[in-house]
Amino acid sequence: EAAVTQSPRNKVAVTGGKVTLSCNQTNNHNNMYWYRQDTGHGLRLIHYSYGAGSTEKGDIPDGYKASRPSQENFSLILELATPSQTSVYFCASGTGGAYEQYFGPGTRLTVL
Amino acid sequence: AQSVTQPDARVTVSEGASLQLRCKYSYSGTPYLFWYVQYPRQGLQLLLKYYSGDPVVQGVNGFEAEFIKSNSSFHLRKASVHWSDSAVYFCAVGSNYQLIWGSGTKLIIKP
Repeated sequence: EAAVTQSPRNKVAVTGGKVTLSCNQTNNHNNMYWYRQDTGHGLRLIHYSYGAGSTEKGDIPDGYKASRPSQENFSLILELATPSQTSVYFCASGTGGAYEQYFGPGTRLTVL
Repeated sequence: AQSVTQPDARVTVSEGASLQLRCKYSYSGTPYLFWYVQYPRQGLQLLLKYYSGDPVVQGVNGFEAEFIKSNSSFHLRKASVHWSDSAVYFCAVGSNYQLIWGSGTKLIIKP
């Protein structure tokens, strides 16, 4: 069965600190996605990737960077974390053409 | 621009009653349509999908949805809900190799 894992599951960070959220998929999917979920906003796309070495900006990329070093791994980086980035972050993988996406369990990030 | 609207933020139904969650989309062309479910403190799981063919598609746990092109709708239905169906349900449309998401509907089941 498709598997997307995220680490850490919970994270408390300080304002101005660097945060890295990691995602690993064993589906051998080319596409990977990072979303944030906030009450009242649903899911919003931050960055996505079509394969190793590629990253693309989504709808809300400001304040975030992404890295796709391999087919399996996709990281989201907050260089200077701010309280407004407190949220739940979801990673997903997908084949692209079929549009189906498979989600990880989420990371709850609190920036104090 | 492509968009998905779920007009009901919350829906409350009694256990055993039937259910309809509404979804309207805006998309030029033939849409790929999806319903996902999110249980508390979990990621989203695919419930069902429509690509083409029979406009009524079956999903897991007795859910189904009907694609009505003339109405730009893809409503989710279930004949008899169970308490375990309590969750948030998201409708989405595929566009440019991404998913455009609705804002979600929280389903509350009354005992």
